[in-house]
Amino acid sequence: AQKITQTQPGMFVQEKEAVTLDCTYDTSDQSYGLFWYKQPSSGEMIFLIYQGSYDEQNATEGRYSLNFQKARKSANLVISASQLGDSAMYFCATNTGNQFYFGTGTSLTVIP
Amino acid sequence: ETGVTQTPRHLVMGMTNKKSLKCEQHLGHNAMYWYKQSAKKPLELMFVYSLEERVENNSVPSRFSPECPNSSHLFLHLHTLQPEDSALYLCASSQDAPAPGLAGWTYEQYFGPGTRLTVT
Repeated sequence: AQKITQTQPGMFVQEKEAVTLDCTYDTSDQSYGLFWYKQPSSGEMIFLIYQGSYDEQNATEGRYSLNFQKARKSANLVISASQLGDSAMYFCATNTGNQFYFGTGTSLTVIP
Repeated sequence: ETGVTQTPRHLVMGMTNKKSLKCEQHLGHNAMYWYKQSAKKPLELMFVYSLEERVENNSVPSRFSPECPNSSHLFLHLHTLQPEDSALYLCASSQDAPAPGLAGWTYEQYFGPGTRLTVT
């Protein structure tokens, strides 16, 4: 069964606007982590933000915030004040047990 | 060198060749990983090493053979590959390896630039 679902294959956002990238997950574990990574065209995956399942507050890292809704099993990434350099693939991931599961990714294009 | 490095960046090999991918991390991490990234598919975790011991092997064909001689180096030995093995192979490291029932920020992974493998 797919553990991570990203339903938006492609997204566009105007520069300086905010954008939300969707992610839902499936796990029966009580303790798990949620991660977002960015992959520019150069290919390297870059860690952006982490949310633990027991964290009561939404994680924030600079312009990135994670909208964590545990009951809905969603972990959406919000990027504020988009920049041209934000254009990339974005992957949501979770770890349960010894495993990491990644979604198929969302391609974000920032329009000048 | 900083972060996670991988060599070679590009590799073309025939189905009868033997080659190796190399990964090195300069972060002092205890866990290292091999992933396969194919077009239109989620990233697939292949192997997990924690303190040089393999802790996970996700039903990967035996034509892929990992080796972790120390906590800084990870190899992926390739032999008699198939064309469908063509993909981007990513190495990653994290402070610790994930454990069942536990979650933590120390599992955040740092990735190398990958090796683009083409099997002809």
